[in-house]
Amino acid sequence: GAGVSQSPRYKVAKRGQDVALRCDPISGHVSLFWYQQALGQGPEFLTYFQNEAQLDKSGLPSDRFFAERPEGSVSTLKIQRTQQEDSAVYLCASSFSRRTAYEQYFGPGTRLTVT
Amino acid sequence: AQTVTQSQPEMSVQEAETVTLSCTYDTSESNYYLFWYKQPPSRQMILVIRQEAYKQQNATENRFSVNFQKAAKSFSLKISDSQLGDTAMYFCAFIISGSARQLTFGSGTQLTVLP
Repeated sequence: GAGVSQSPRYKVAKRGQDVALRCDPISGHVSLFWYQQALGQGPEFLTYFQNEAQLDKSGLPSDRFFAERPEGSVSTLKIQRTQQEDSAVYLCASSFSRRTAYEQYFGPGTRLTVT
Repeated sequence: AQTVTQSQPEMSVQEAETVTLSCTYDTSESNYYLFWYKQPPSRQMILVIRQEAYKQQNATENRFSVNFQKAAKSFSLKISDSQLGDTAMYFCAFIISGSARQLTFGSGTQLTVLP
């Protein structure tokens, strides 16, 4: 079956622009995670959804970051007024349920470059 | 809070040889999972192997095996008969069992398999 997909794969934004990154989880997966991976580093947690409910957004670095999953499937991570420090790969992962969060399937990521 | 430490930023190994990647972690939890993920240049995060903390037997997956030392909070990955396709960034990761919590990753080890 289809895995987790993300779009776009690459995004270049000028400082100050708004960007929207999309994640399509595996069909039927209840849990969805966003991670931010800076160059040469491990991924760091941003936010978590169970269905349409955003249950944890403790990792969002500032109020310029906003995520939604209105119908409990596709999720969008929005970054407003992008800054150079936002340049990173943004990874999305999904799992079948909350109880199987130990089995997360990752998408290919979106590489964001802010110039 | 949980932390994962990978003290080897880079390693290399000759093709067909064996290499061991190190990982230590810190947690006050007793039930958790540990993982090794592989991330090639395509950025796709691929699960290599998973270990459940309550299991004493070390996990193995074909050429990949772990040495899990719970008391020492150590979780190393051994790759036998290294292949050129094993060249990638390897991340050690941790998640608390039964929670919807995020994965916590180490900073990674870049492994290069030399022909």
